[in-house]
Amino acid sequence: KQEVTQIPAALSVPEGENLVLNCSFTDSAIYNLQWFRQDPGKGLTSLLLIQSSQREQTSGRLNASLDKSSGRSTLYIAASQPGDSATYLCAATGNQFYFGTGTSLTVIP
Amino acid sequence: EAGVAQSPRYKIIEKRQSVAFWCNPISGHATLYWYQQILGQGPKLLIQFQNNGVVDDSQLPKDRFSAERLKGVDSTLKIQPAKLEDSAVYLCASSRLRGGFTDTQYFGPGTRLTVL
Repeated sequence: KQEVTQIPAALSVPEGENLVLNCSFTDSAIYNLQWFRQDPGKGLTSLLLIQSSQREQTSGRLNASLDKSSGRSTLYIAASQPGDSATYLCAATGNQFYFGTGTSLTVIP
Repeated sequence: EAGVAQSPRYKIIEKRQSVAFWCNPISGHATLYWYQQILGQGPKLLIQFQNNGVVDDSQLPKDRFSAERLKGVDSTLKIQPAKLEDSAVYLCASSRLRGGFTDTQYFGPGTRLTVL
């Protein structure tokens, strides 16, 4: 069974700092890897989706990379802002979707 | 385009009672998912529909949970009878079906269930 782990569980950074969130998965036979953002009391918002044939995807200040051989994905956030404060979840897609437990990010003004 | 709609947003019931949640996916999306998210955990897939057929319900507690997607559009998830451990947020998501693989998932706001 696929297991998805996210480290760290919580992260607090000052505004303007660049940061990296980590996601690791045990089964490399995935179709894609997706990063989501979850705000308190709300559903998930898709940020980036990386197909298994791709190495990275970029959207604005966000860059996600995928290394299937090592079972790792990273989400890079440049020049963090207080509005980036949320929980970030990654999900690996194989026969079904497996979510990590998330990283709770706080950006301090 | 309109997003995924869910109702109700909040529900409080006593254990052993029944409850139902409703989801309307984005128009044209063939695939619909129900997830259970317990506080502090990532979402866990309960059931996946493709059109009106079930693709995966391996993690659905079938003794008390049931779901249907009539006409391949909106869907209902029912719990009967509810237990304390069913307290969670129930998320509905939908995606297009492209090339046999799933596309980006779009999530609704969720229904927060509290079982007392």
